[in-house]
Amino acid sequence: DTEVTQTPKHLVMGMTNKKSLKCEQHMGHRAMYWYKQKAKKPPELMFVYSYEKLSINESVPSRFSPECPNSSLLNLHLHALQPEDSALYLCASSQASGRGYEQYFGPGTRLTVT
Amino acid sequence: QKEVEQDPGPLSVPEGAIVSLNCTYSNSAFQYFMWYRQYSRKGPELLMYTYSSGNKEDGRFTAQVDKSSKYISLFIRDSQPSDSATYLCAMSLSGGYNKLIFGAGTRLAVHP
Repeated sequence: DTEVTQTPKHLVMGMTNKKSLKCEQHMGHRAMYWYKQKAKKPPELMFVYSYEKLSINESVPSRFSPECPNSSLLNLHLHALQPEDSALYLCASSQASGRGYEQYFGPGTRLTVT
Repeated sequence: QKEVEQDPGPLSVPEGAIVSLNCTYSNSAFQYFMWYRQYSRKGPELLMYTYSSGNKEDGRFTAQVDKSSKYISLFIRDSQPSDSATYLCAMSLSGGYNKLIFGAGTRLAVHP
């Protein structure tokens, strides 16, 4: 099973709302990633968790707060977002060593901030 | 100069054509080279990866890496309308968890 699942598929939120994106994988991968992708642009890395610890934070604004409750789950908590944060948010997973370049992506959550 | 350069296209070809997609890069430390396919409104799907220089073949797809020229290619033989998608090259410094550096993506349309 090489599936990464993400919920919800679509999310519309106001600038004062708090919401969360969820990601799950059951491939035994110990590295999980959040990417942001704007239309017609490549994915941009936001965060990397390795063995449930935050390993890379690409200077993402604090209105995005990641959380890794266990080795299979990854959350992204959203608060006080701006309209320019509207994008496709992708979760990915990989082995934490050896084949970390082989990243498997979920279908994404399409976020619209109004 | 971007670390990875990729022509965004669009590239339009007839069914059955051989498609050539390319990326150039500036960082000679890259060791792993990947090609992802992304259909509209979906997440990227890993097609192929190559370590260092050389060729790799998988069905109708062939990936080539020329580290001396800092140039990678993906060839698609007997292209099908179902190959219509955006193709992203990506590169990595090492085998562990780390940041993938993506090209801009090339939009490919294969028409019947």
